[in-house]
Amino acid sequence: DGGITQSPKYLFRKEGQNVTLSCEQNLNHDAMYWYRQDPGQGLRLIYYSQIVNDFQKGDIAEGYSVSREKKESFPLTVTSAQKNPTAFYLCASYGGRSNATNEKLFFGSGTQLSVL
Amino acid sequence: AQTVTQSQPEMSVQEAETVTLSCTYDTSENNYYLFWYKQPPSRQMILVIRQEAYKQQNATENRFSVNFQKAAKSFSLKISDSQLGDTAMYFCAFMKRSGTYKYIFGTGTRLKVLA
Repeated sequence: DGGITQSPKYLFRKEGQNVTLSCEQNLNHDAMYWYRQDPGQGLRLIYYSQIVNDFQKGDIAEGYSVSREKKESFPLTVTSAQKNPTAFYLCASYGGRSNATNEKLFFGSGTQLSVL
Repeated sequence: AQTVTQSQPEMSVQEAETVTLSCTYDTSENNYYLFWYKQPPSRQMILVIRQEAYKQQNATENRFSVNFQKAAKSFSLKISDSQLGDTAMYFCAFMKRSGTYKYIFGTGTRLKVLA
């Protein structure tokens, strides 16, 4: 089945530790995104990538880093510089401007990150 | 820069009644897409409806319809014959029609359908 896989589902971070959230897609989509969702809040864009080896900062990129070495993969690292990392993280992909997908984002099931 | 604003943090509606969720946005672009997404308690994101800014006709998907007012930069969602399964967070979203694929969301409206 085609889709987006995020792992792990739950992740715990110790203070001062970097952690990496995985996002893999087999939809052959060019664009991938990372969003942060705080309880009862909207989705805030962290980073997005429109093509391999290229990515842009979103609205809340500080304390996060990404890479896009392969089309299928867009891992997000939450660094120790992110002082309030507890949130639900959603990865998404977009197949491009065609009628086939109605410009919709395909989402993973999310990773809940908590601080120990 | 584009922004999307949802001014209603929470709403409730009786089952079978109609409810309208509001969304306003700010952009200097002329061609773009607008969306409503639903996030039920499972937290899985589901596309509800999509509107192309260059089309004057309001989009409709079964019980869901939009009122798109381009000059006012307003994009409201009407849910008719509300069902218990409509209980969810609803997010308004924006993407330009050309250039960057940046896709931004509003803060959401939590809708509760009451039996």
